Amino acid sequence: DIVLTQSPDSLAVSLGERATISCKSGQSVLDGSNNKNYLAWYQQKPGQPPKLLIYWASSRESGVPDRFSGSGSGTDFSLTIRSLQAEDVAVYYCQQYYSTPPTFGGGTKVEIK
Amino acid sequence: QVQLQESGPGLVKPSQTLSLTCTVSGGSISSGDYYWSWIRQSPGRGLEWIGYIHNTGSTYHNPSLKSRVTMSPDTSQNQFSLKLTSVTAADTAVYFCARAQHDFYFDFWGQGTLVTVSS
Repeated sequence: DIVLTQSPDSLAVSLGERATISCKSGQSVLDGSNNKNYLAWYQQKPGQPPKLLIYWASSRESGVPDRFSGSGSGTDFSLTIRSLQAEDVAVYYCQQYYSTPPTFGGGTKVEIK
Repeated sequence: QVQLQESGPGLVKPSQTLSLTCTVSGGSISSGDYYWSWIRQSPGRGLEWIGYIHNTGSTYHNPSLKSRVTMSPDTSQNQFSLKLTSVTAADTAVYFCARAQHDFYFDFWGQGTLVTVSS
């Protein structure tokens, strides 16, 4: 199974400031045949299921605010929240779908400073 | 808009079988290239993919669960189900059903249901 390691475990950011979360994969999730990174990001608020934010490492899901962006390739990825809003307080997870079983990172909790 | 809703007992005794159903609305489990999946979440194991069922009838489950998993569709009710046998306390978790796109990211999720394994 591909292991995804997220850092930091938690992050406190002031409103309007940038938040950046890292996700490192134990092996590359880049498919050289189509140049796609098989990595997604989710947001989970208390008592709710995860919500898809980003897929293919940088494609934003419909309806997701453009302050959320994903970047990276191969084994190193980031999720950036450009200007943190109060409603962005949540736990964020990365997920690889390069190989079966799909696996998730351990999560990063984002709070307001 | 696709919606999913889990249902089933919230308490299961050790060594017994956990049974859950996911009811889908706003889309048919019989059409499209989707993988109707079960995922669970617990403090100790985080998010763990359990398995999927495809509209072709194919199923696949996480090898970590060995042969304890059975998934099946009920196309007449637009539902799919999960059975997990020989449960232990380690199977206590919130269980989600979700739809996966062909490439296996999950775009729609149910609200989740807490299943506790305890005598």
